[in-house]
Amino acid sequence: ERVMTQSPATLSVSPGERAILSCRASQSVGTNLAWYQQKPGQPPRLLLYGASTRATGVAARFTGSGSGTEFSLTISSLQSEDFAVYYCQQYDNWPPFTFGPGTKVDMK
Amino acid sequence: EVQLVESGGDLVRPGRSLRLVCSASGPTFGYYPMTWVRQAPGRGLEWVAYIRSKRYGGTPEYAASVKGRFTISRDDSKNIVYLQMDSLNTEDSAVYYCVRGDYDSSGHPLFTYWGQGTLVTVSS
Repeated sequence: ERVMTQSPATLSVSPGERAILSCRASQSVGTNLAWYQQKPGQPPRLLLYGASTRATGVAARFTGSGSGTEFSLTISSLQSEDFAVYYCQQYDNWPPFTFGPGTKVDMK
Repeated sequence: EVQLVESGGDLVRPGRSLRLVCSASGPTFGYYPMTWVRQAPGRGLEWVAYIRSKRYGGTPEYAASVKGRFTISRDDSKNIVYLQMDSLNTEDSAVYYCVRGDYDSSGHPLFTYWGQGTLVTVSS
């Protein structure tokens, strides 16, 4: 089973600043990695897949990179609507599909 | 536009059963894989079950934590996917999300569209 970890657990950022979130896989997942955004009381929303491809309708300020075991999600200039929890998920070796524990991005 | 509506969540006692239903709108439902993902209160996301489209055999996969207790199935004629949950325990308490998948260019399933979720509470 591929175990996913994320850091930091919480990231405090001011609006307009850049945020960088990290995700690590216990074994290589190639680029078969997705990122999700979840706001309180809402279901997750697919942001990126293939480590770096934005899903339909996702703003260009969201950028993904990485391959193998190390990945990152960068939000170039944080907007008020970006404060949320972000999860990474691997779909390279399944079952099981595995999620990271999440990074909460909150306002500094 | 794809819409997924879950129903069937309830308060049940340990050891009992519950069936969740996910009704999907949108064309060609049968083409897509379907998944259930759950989230315990204040916790992260946990994949529960997956069912392939008929084109890929319609076969299921389960998380180890639910294997042998939960059954995922689909009725493509009605655009519905089910999650039959037996022998429920308190650790199964969560919001259960229905997810319609897509395939990426390599045929890997993506969790693209999510319903609003239905709450299952297992408590005595």
